[in-house]
Amino acid sequence: AQSVTQLGSHVSVSEGALVLLRCNYSSSVPPYLFWYVQYPNQGLQLLLKYTTGATLVKGINGFEAEFKKSETSFHLTKPSAHMSDAAEYFCAVSVGTGFQKLVFGTGTRLLVSP
Amino acid sequence: ETGVTQSPTHLIKTRGQQVTLRCSSQSGHNTVSWYQQALGQGPQFIFQYYREEENGRGNFPPRFSGLQFPNYSSELNVNALELDDSALYLCASSSGQGVAEAFFGQGTRLTVV
Repeated sequence: AQSVTQLGSHVSVSEGALVLLRCNYSSSVPPYLFWYVQYPNQGLQLLLKYTTGATLVKGINGFEAEFKKSETSFHLTKPSAHMSDAAEYFCAVSVGTGFQKLVFGTGTRLLVSP
Repeated sequence: ETGVTQSPTHLIKTRGQQVTLRCSSQSGHNTVSWYQQALGQGPQFIFQYYREEENGRGNFPPRFSGLQFPNYSSELNVNALELDDSALYLCASSSGQGVAEAFFGQGTRLTVV
C-alpha cells in the first residue's frame, strides 16, 4: 500500500538557514507526491506537487522538492528560512485508480528562530 | 486563497450527540473529499463524493455519513459522537476523481465533551 514517512516531527532552523524536511514514500506504482503547509488553525495549502516529468519541482514561497526514485524520497528544501515559514508541513501521496485519495505523513513542525 | 468554504469554523458537542458539517466546493469542482485530522496527526481520508455519489471510503465506521448536493456542496454527518471524534475536519474539492488539483478549506474544529 502506498504510504509516506516523514522523518523528524520537529525541525528547528535559524532565520536565513537552509530548510530540509524529509519525506520517503512507499508505492508500487509511479506516485504522485505532494507537500502541503498548515498554519495554526488553518486548512492545508498546497506548496508543490510531482506528477510526471521534471523531477525537480518548484513551488510557492521559494520551496522546492526533488523526486528521487532510487531513494524513494521527495525531500522539501528552501535555501533561506524566513520567520513566516514556521508552520506544520505534510508530505502526501495519492492513492487509487478509479478514484484518488491523499495519504498523509504525520507532519513536521518547522520552527524558525531569529 | 481557495474558494472552498467550511462551516462552522468551531463547534462543541456532547458525547452521543449528532453533528453536521458543511462544505462549499470551489466553482467548477464536482468532487468533495473529507478528511479527519486529530491533534498532532496527519489528515485521514473519510470519504469522497463525486457527482452526488459516494465513490470511495476510508476506514471510518458507518456513523460517519455524507451527502453531496446538485450544486456539489457537501455535508459530513457524524452520529453518536465519541470523545475521539474531536478533531479538525477538512474538506477538499477537485474536478473529477483525481487529487492533483485538490483545494482544501480552512476546516471545522469539532470538540466533543
